[in-house]
Amino acid sequence: QVQLQESGPGLVKPSDTLSLTCAVSGYSISSSNWWGWIRQPPGKGLEWIGYIYYSGSTYYNPSLKSRVTMSVDTSKNQFSLKLSSVTAVDTAVYYCARRGKGGSNFDYWGQGTLVTVSS
Amino acid sequence: SYVLTQPPSVSVAPGQTARITCGGNNIGSKSVHWYQQKPGQAPVLVVYDDSDRPSGIPERFSGSNSGNTATLTISRVEAGDEADYYCQVWDSSSDHPDVVFGGGTKLTVL
Repeated sequence: QVQLQESGPGLVKPSDTLSLTCAVSGYSISSSNWWGWIRQPPGKGLEWIGYIYYSGSTYYNPSLKSRVTMSVDTSKNQFSLKLSSVTAVDTAVYYCARRGKGGSNFDYWGQGTLVTVSS
Repeated sequence: SYVLTQPPSVSVAPGQTARITCGGNNIGSKSVHWYQQKPGQAPVLVVYDDSDRPSGIPERFSGSNSGNTATLTISRVEAGDEADYYCQVWDSSSDHPDVVFGGGTKLTVL
């Protein structure tokens, strides 16, 4: 059974870099899937942050591209997100998810982790 | 950038049919996916590629897509269907491919 689990600090100071990791179990991250990050500010809708492939290829949301870096560690079967220069508007629940093979949907999601940006 | 428009809320009595729309320019040419999100939980894929259901999703959930509107239909609505529903597409029409979500629709079961 495919499982994804986000981890990282729950509190980040303004102007710092938010760093999260998504550990994948029950499935090889090196299979032909893209892996993504999506966030959801409290009480609001979903916003896609970006995708990464096991080879390191990426697609980022154009509105966040200048601040986002994603990476993958196939030896640990996990992938990561860094979002720089954060402000209060970056406060959200951050989800990692698997993109369905051959499709553009997200078929497996992590439980999500709340990251609060505050001094 | 591509925009998906959903009604903020839809209400339906138990046993009736709920229809949640997702509007977008020529959305019929794209594959539309639908997610259900209950409070405090991660989204769950309920319909993908316009009208396919993942394993484990009841047949009561169905989808259609044509012209400028995609629709998620929930038949014989149950109290447990009360949730937020989001549509999603992959927009590859520009130089910057983008995953786009609709703003979400809160389904209330009366």
